[in-house]
Amino acid sequence: DVKVTQSSRYLVKRTGEKVFLECVQDMDHENMFWYRQDPGLGLRLIYFSYDVKMKEKGDIPEGYSVSREKKERFSLILESASTNQTSMYLCASSDRNTGELFFGEGSRLTVL
Amino acid sequence: EDQVTQSPEALRLQEGESSSLNCSYTVSGLRGLFWYRQDPGKGPEFLFTLYSAGEEKEKERLKATLTKKESFLHITAPKPEDSATYLCAVQAYDKIIFGKGTRLHILP
Repeated sequence: DVKVTQSSRYLVKRTGEKVFLECVQDMDHENMFWYRQDPGLGLRLIYFSYDVKMKEKGDIPEGYSVSREKKERFSLILESASTNQTSMYLCASSDRNTGELFFGEGSRLTVL
Repeated sequence: EDQVTQSPEALRLQEGESSSLNCSYTVSGLRGLFWYRQDPGKGPEFLFTLYSAGEEKEKERLKATLTKKESFLHITAPKPEDSATYLCAVQAYDKIIFGKGTRLHILP
C-alpha cells in the first residue's frame, strides 16, 4: 500500500522555537508538497518541490523554509515558531505526469 | 482569477437520501479535476480524476461528472460512513487549486 508518512501527528511548541516537520513517501514520486489547513481557509500551499534540492514557493511561504536532500523526503522548517502558525500541516506527493496528490495523515502543530 | 468554489458548505442527509455536491471552477488551461475525501483529523484521500467534459467516474455509492464549468459528486443511497468533508481540486497549467470543501453528514 502506497504511503506518505509524516513524522509527528501532534506537536506543541513555544513561540520562538525551531520546528521540523518531516515527510517521507515510498512511491518514488518526483513532486512533493507542504500545505497548511485552517478552518474557513481551506488548503493553502506553503512550498513544493519538483526534484531533489529544488524548491518553489507556494502561496504562503513567509515564515517557513523547506529541504529536500533525498527524493523520498521533504522537510518543512519553522525557524522561529509563532502563534499564527498553529495549524494542521499536510504533506503530499504526486507523480510527475499526474496531478493526483497522495497525502499524509497530517501534523497538528500548536504554538503557545 | 483562477478559482474553485464548492457548494453547499455543509449538507445533512438521512441515510439513503441521494444528493449531489457541486464544484464550479474558472481556470485557464484545465489539466484535470480531482475529488478527495477527508475524515476529521486526517489527510485527504484521493477519490477520482476527471480530465474532459462528459467524463464520469464511479466508486461504490459515489459518481463524479464533469462539464466545462463544473463537476458534480453524486452520492446515491448514502450510509453514515460516507460522512466526511469532500474536497474538489483543479489542476491548471502550473498549479493545483483547492476548493474549501463540503462537509457531508449522513444521519442514521
